[in-house]
Amino acid sequence: GDSVTQMEGPVTLSEEAFLTINCTYTATGYPSLFWYVQYPGEGLQLLLKATKADDKGSNKGFEATYRKETTSFHLEKGSVQVSDSAVYFCALGGVRTGGGNKLTFGTGTQLKVEL
Amino acid sequence: IAGITQAPTSQILAAGRRMTLRCTQDMRHNAMYWYRQDLGLGLRLIHYSNTAGTTGKGEVPDGYSVSRANTDDFPLTLASAVPSQTSVYFCASSPTGDYGYTFGSGTRLTVV
Repeated sequence: GDSVTQMEGPVTLSEEAFLTINCTYTATGYPSLFWYVQYPGEGLQLLLKATKADDKGSNKGFEATYRKETTSFHLEKGSVQVSDSAVYFCALGGVRTGGGNKLTFGTGTQLKVEL
Repeated sequence: IAGITQAPTSQILAAGRRMTLRCTQDMRHNAMYWYRQDLGLGLRLIHYSNTAGTTGKGEVPDGYSVSRANTDDFPLTLASAVPSQTSVYFCASSPTGDYGYTFGSGTRLTVV
């Protein structure tokens, strides 16, 4: 079945450092890929998405490129801020087979950004 | 403000008791979902509904039931709570054919 693997956290960075959170997936067909972010005490919010190979999703300075050859969708940001501290979830939207548009989530990676 | 409302925000529940977690959306989304979030396990799908009047089982449905009598409401019921159901529960919705979910703020449930 579909699955998503994320790097273990927590990831601790200094402000203005470069961020990479790795995400790889296993799926049949050509899934859509997503990054969701969860700030403390809140529900998840969609951060960015890519729906086909070589697409780059971007939002709020974050980027991720859909790499079919490596089945990856790594999240990057050039300069993190303290306000980016949150838990980041990679997710996969599988091929629809009558089961609707269900997402499969990774386990999440906690990011802590310090001054 | 358009979105998803979950209630209660938190609850401590005695084992064996029945509990219904409420979820209401005002975006007229056809699809709705219930996930539980546990440390180290991420989010796991409990039940889903593609449209009013239909429901389906997710990855971890045992011990839970849902109903979808109308578009807006998708309650989750624990018939007889057990400590392993201690978790944070999130309700979400999306338009048909769209993976862009809107999540509620969650219900923190502790079963003792």
